[in-house]
Amino acid sequence: SAVISQKPSRDICQRGTSLTIQCQVDSQVTMMFWYRQQPGQSLTLIATANQGSEATYESGFVIDKFPISRPNLTFSTLTVSNLSPEDSSIYLCSVAWGQSSGANVLTFGAGSRLTVL
Amino acid sequence: GQNIDQPTEMTATEGAIVQINCTYQTSGFNGLFWYQQHAGEAPTFLSYNVLDGLEEKGRFSSFLSRSKGYSYLLLKELQMKDSASYLCAVKRVRDSWGKLQFGAGTQVVVTP
Repeated sequence: SAVISQKPSRDICQRGTSLTIQCQVDSQVTMMFWYRQQPGQSLTLIATANQGSEATYESGFVIDKFPISRPNLTFSTLTVSNLSPEDSSIYLCSVAWGQSSGANVLTFGAGSRLTVL
Repeated sequence: GQNIDQPTEMTATEGAIVQINCTYQTSGFNGLFWYQQHAGEAPTFLSYNVLDGLEEKGRFSSFLSRSKGYSYLLLKELQMKDSASYLCAVKRVRDSWGKLQFGAGTQVVVTP
């Protein structure tokens, strides 16, 4: 399976500022997926980062708040803009990796824990 | 829409068996995943069920009933390291493999 490196692992930010999270995969992948895990909540897909085209955002998430870059097949960034305490979450980068069963399994990075003061 | 329900927390003793249930309501069901997530770590894949029945993988087994919208994860011979959150996740036919609908997770506490 793919190895995913994500940084920063954690950060504390002031409200109104922005944080950019980087995700590096050790293999070339067409799509990378950004998830959010709020305290005590389930994982929610923010957007799909496609190489060579605009990211695809899920309902409730917009590009102005969560701009994404995807400059090549192994790297992506997620920026969380104009931070508020409600943005305090764990942000996870992931890729779907093929298995012998035919299924593609989501593999996650270690996550970036953001606390907004 | 979709709704995925699993218990919030379960406690069991070392060496015992625990069954974590997951019920779902979704249109276009394609398959169901189970993930394990230790505190402060990323979720890791445990199992995938697409057909009805039981899939066994060592101490862990997963069951699916598509007609009932029901799955369970069975953990046998519990070890202290099994203390973690277990996430049930559904894939729909129309969604990519990267878009899963996750339940809120079941925190399993294993006691000595």
